[in-house]
Amino acid sequence: KAGVTQTPRYLIKTRGQQVTLSCSPISGHRSVSWYQQTPGQGLQFLFEYFSETQRNKGNFPGRFSGRQFSNSRSEMNVSTLELGDSALYLCASSAEPEQFFGPGTRLTVL
Amino acid sequence: AQSVTQLGSHVSVSEGALVLLRCNYSSSVPPYLFWYVQYPNQGLQLLLKYTSAATLVKGINGFEAEFKKSETSFHLTKPSAHMSDAAEYFCAVSDNSNQFYFGTGTSLTVIP
Repeated sequence: KAGVTQTPRYLIKTRGQQVTLSCSPISGHRSVSWYQQTPGQGLQFLFEYFSETQRNKGNFPGRFSGRQFSNSRSEMNVSTLELGDSALYLCASSAEPEQFFGPGTRLTVL
Repeated sequence: AQSVTQLGSHVSVSEGALVLLRCNYSSSVPPYLFWYVQYPNQGLQLLLKYTSAATLVKGINGFEAEFKKSETSFHLTKPSAHMSDAAEYFCAVSDNSNQFYFGTGTSLTVIP
């Protein structure tokens, strides 16, 4: 089985722009979770989608949003980018109870 | 909410020495527990998991962890460190809601 894929792998944006990241889960997995990883804060949970519905949500501002499509692929969107949004964004697909991670998207905000 | 504490953000061991990475969790219900490893510029890879079967769990690359409910601990060990073990290690706990809570990570350095 193919693993979790994330596109793009690297992204450079400027403050105020918006960005969309994509995640394709392992075939058959219906749950997709998103995390933000930074050196200072570690891994922070953004949200989880299951069968196109947001099931769990972390403590992030409304600028961070996501969605899931009928084929379980998921996107997350960050609007009005801030410098502090620079991070590695990880996606994980789940066959409960474990999660399988993609390689991440490295977002740099200038 | 659940939480995970990893004692020691940096651990250094000599090649061939015992690796011990500590993890304590807080949970009011029997949890699922995991250890993940992350190499530079990569995602997290599952090392092992505890899902209420045997309390001593064996994982990949010679790692194992023991679930101790009385101590709310799930420490990761490996008898003999290898240079390739140098990486960041994360302990995580999950409950029945499929929400994961990660520790802040321990960076393992292996000294030749």
